[in-house]
Amino acid sequence: DIQLTQSPSFLSASVGDRVTITCRASQGINGYLAWFQQKPGKAPKLLIYTASTLQSGVPSRFSGSGSGTEFTLTISSLQPEDFATYYCQQLNAFPLTFGGGTKVEIK
Amino acid sequence: EVQVVESGGGLVQPGGSLTLSCAASGFTFRDYWMSWVRQAPGKGLEWLASIKPDGSGETYGDSVKGRFTIFRDNAKNSLYLQMNSLRVEDTALYYCAPSIVKTAARHYLDNWGQGSLVTVSS
Repeated sequence: DIQLTQSPSFLSASVGDRVTITCRASQGINGYLAWFQQKPGKAPKLLIYTASTLQSGVPSRFSGSGSGTEFTLTISSLQPEDFATYYCQQLNAFPLTFGGGTKVEIK
Repeated sequence: EVQVVESGGGLVQPGGSLTLSCAASGFTFRDYWMSWVRQAPGKGLEWLASIKPDGSGETYGDSVKGRFTIFRDNAKNSLYLQMNSLRVEDTALYYCAPSIVKTAARHYLDNWGQGSLVTVSS
């Protein structure tokens, strides 16, 4: 199985900060990576797919990059509504797997 | 508008069975892979199972293989998860998720439902 390791697991930041979350895969995943945002009590929402494609309706302050085994999600200027937990997911092979999550909280 | 609504959750004793349903609308259900994902209280996301658009094949995560069965009824635009031999550790919010974002090589999950809570306890 492909393991995904997210770092950090917890992040404290201020409005306006640039935030970067990393997702490392235990083997190459051919860029088949998605990023989700989950707010408390809500279902996860797709932000990014194929590592760097912004899902329709997602603000442009979100971006994804990476290849091989290392991927990043960047929020260029953190907004109040961005405080949430973020997950990566690989779709290179079954079983599909998620990273452990990164909780972004207000400093 | 793409929408999926889960139902069928509840309290069940260890060793018991339960079947979850997911009603889909706003998209051509029979054209899309569908999946179940769960989230234990305070924990992360765990993919459980996916099924092909025509129902001809399924795949499962190791934690539920042999105990859970995913199936669908395209005439009813519905997805199901039959859960047998339930364990305390199966307690979670169960999400239905369509692979609604199609690329050339992969289909990505979006427009998840709000989930159906399953509690396994004596």
